[in-house]
Amino acid sequence: QVQLEESGGGLVKAGGSLRLACAASGFVFRESYMAWVRQAAGKGLECISYISGNGEVVYYRDSVKGRFSISRDNTNDSVFLEGNDLSVEDTAIYYCATVRWEGGVSFDSWGQGIVVNVSS
Amino acid sequence: SAELTQESSLSVALGQTVSITCQGGSLRDYFTSWYQQRPGQAPVLVIYGTKRRPSGIPDRFSGSSVGGIVSLTISAAQVEDEAEYFCSSRDKSGNSVLFGGGTKLTVL
Repeated sequence: QVQLEESGGGLVKAGGSLRLACAASGFVFRESYMAWVRQAAGKGLECISYISGNGEVVYYRDSVKGRFSISRDNTNDSVFLEGNDLSVEDTAIYYCATVRWEGGVSFDSWGQGIVVNVSS
Repeated sequence: SAELTQESSLSVALGQTVSITCQGGSLRDYFTSWYQQRPGQAPVLVIYGTKRRPSGIPDRFSGSSVGGIVSLTISAAQVEDEAEYFCSSRDKSGNSVLFGGGTKLTVL
């Protein structure tokens, strides 16, 4: 059974930084692409980054490019998201998700999400 | 277009059928996935590859594509199907993953 558990969220001041972690279990982590998807309150979903199993392929949404960095630790089955120069627009629930590449791209398992609240 | 457009809200009578649509220029080129999100919960994948259903998803959920308009159909809707539904696909360049704005489904 796939389990994903995010940690590291909380209250951050504008201009500050965050480091989110996602601990994974129940599947072959090193072979799986992993993604971070966020959702502002009352808003839709936004895929902000993903990383390949070996870490060689990464993607960033334009709105976070240059400020956010995704990485992974295949020894400890964890994926991370670091963000700098945060703004109130980064306030959201951040979800860790596994990426399925069969039949296009989709996110087939999700963590429960972690809240990041950026104050001005 | 860099956007995916969905109905903002729909309602369906208990036991009846409803279709949620997703429109966007990239849908002719890429597969679509659909997610169900109940209030306060994480999204759940219900359709991928436009028409495929993950294991554990009831067969009353189905996906289709006609003329660039992609649909999620829920047959014999149940109370537990009341949720927000999001479509997703790639953008025209294939580099980004887009989500629709979401459709809030009410089961009457």
